[in-house]
Amino acid sequence: GAGVSQSPRYKVAKRGQDVALRCDPISGHVSLFWYQQALGQGPEFLTYFQNEAQLDKSGLPSDRFFAERPEGSVSTLKIQRTQQEDSAVYLCASSLARLGGGQPQHFGDGTRLSIL
Amino acid sequence: GENVEQHPSTLSVQEGDSAVIKCTYSDSASNYFPWYKQELGKRPQLIIDIRSNVGEKKDQRIAVTLNKTAKHFSLHITETQPEDSAVYFCAASIAKLIFGTGTRLQVFP
Repeated sequence: GAGVSQSPRYKVAKRGQDVALRCDPISGHVSLFWYQQALGQGPEFLTYFQNEAQLDKSGLPSDRFFAERPEGSVSTLKIQRTQQEDSAVYLCASSLARLGGGQPQHFGDGTRLSIL
Repeated sequence: GENVEQHPSTLSVQEGDSAVIKCTYSDSASNYFPWYKQELGKRPQLIIDIRSNVGEKKDQRIAVTLNKTAKHFSLHITETQPEDSAVYFCAASIAKLIFGTGTRLQVFP
C-alpha cells in the first residue's frame, strides 16, 4: 500500500540486547517523526527528520536511543542495551511539511516492543 | 515545557447524542491542531485538523473549534454512533506533535 510501513510489528528482546526498528514513510514525504506510546497513554515525541537531517532529537530518553535516515527516506530507530522501561509501541509518522509544520502526519501501525 | 491538557479522560454517551472533548495548549507558537482517533491496537488515524488562522472547521458529523486567545480547542461529534467508540487524542504542533492524554469515548446503542 501507499501508507507508512513499519517493521517488525512485534519485537521481543531480553534486557540488555540491542534492537532496530524500521520505518518506510509515504513516498515523497519530507518529514519523518518517531513517537513512543506507552500503554494507556498518548504518543510522546522522540525525534524528527527533514530529509536526512535530524532537526530535533530532544525527546530521545537517553543516549541508548539513536535514529538515522541516511538517504532521506527509510529511517531506523536503534535502542542499545534495552531496559524494561523501553517496552512500548514505537510509532513512525511522515508528513509533506517542511520547516514550520502545519501538515497532517500519517502514522504507521507501530512496532510493539517488549523487553523481558 | 510544551504541554497539552485534555478533558474528559472518559466519556460515555447514548447513540445519537453529541460528544465534546476539550484541549488546552501551552505554547502560543503552535499553529496546527489535529485530532486523532485510535482503536485498540491500531494506529492513530487523523480525523480532522485545524490551522491557527481558522476558528472553526466542520466535516460531516465532526467539527473542531479553536480559540487562539484562550489557547483552547475542542472536538464536537454529533449524532454519535457505536463505531465512534475509541480513544481520541488532540495535539498541538509547530513541527512535532504534542499530544493530549486522550479521551476514551464509549457510545452505547
